[in-house]
Amino acid sequence: AQSVTQLDSQVPVFEEAPVELRCNYSSSVSVYLFWYVQYPNQGLQLLLKYLSGSTLVESINGFEAEFNKSQTSFHLRKPSVHISDTAEYFCAVEESSGNTGKLIFGQGTTLQVKP
Amino acid sequence: DTEVTQTPKHLVMGMTNKKSLKCEQHMGHRAMYWYKQKAKKPPELMFVYSYEKLSINESVPSRFSPECPNSSLLNLHLHALQPEDSALYLCASCLSGGALDEQFFGPGTRLTVL
Repeated sequence: AQSVTQLDSQVPVFEEAPVELRCNYSSSVSVYLFWYVQYPNQGLQLLLKYLSGSTLVESINGFEAEFNKSQTSFHLRKPSVHISDTAEYFCAVEESSGNTGKLIFGQGTTLQVKP
Repeated sequence: DTEVTQTPKHLVMGMTNKKSLKCEQHMGHRAMYWYKQKAKKPPELMFVYSYEKLSINESVPSRFSPECPNSSLLNLHLHALQPEDSALYLCASCLSGGALDEQFFGPGTRLTVL
């Protein structure tokens, strides 16, 4: 079975400051890793994913995440945040050998960007 | 068309009512999902349909009844719900349900059970 731990429930940060949202996972099998973002009153949007290859993955809006197999982590970072980045962020895993599309989500981290 | 639509946006129902939630996509996706999300919590998977057949039921109570009439449409029929069933119900779809496919989420239906 897989599980995902997001270590911070809330992360307040000032605009233009860097931010890191932490995610650790536990799994006995190989997994794919995802970050989803949920803006208020909306559904989830895929931010970025790690399937294989380069351990550093980037999104189009400046976020990046690095897969660290030895530390079983997939932390999300952005060098300079904007007010519009205020949202709930969910880390998720999916068993790579499965064919169900079953995502296991972490508890979420609320990113609050202050002016 | 690259979106998943859900209707209604909001629904208030009594414990004796019967209602349905609707989800639609026209991206040619063959896997569709229902999730339940309580406030300040992550989404929890309820059901997965793959090629119009129910492939996963995460031990959901029978008062929730999913239906997939065709490859574009997914319904969730509700009957005799409890107040604790109040939540945001999210629908998602992906190409075929494989681990490499991205799931696209709808905006959700916010359900309140009185």
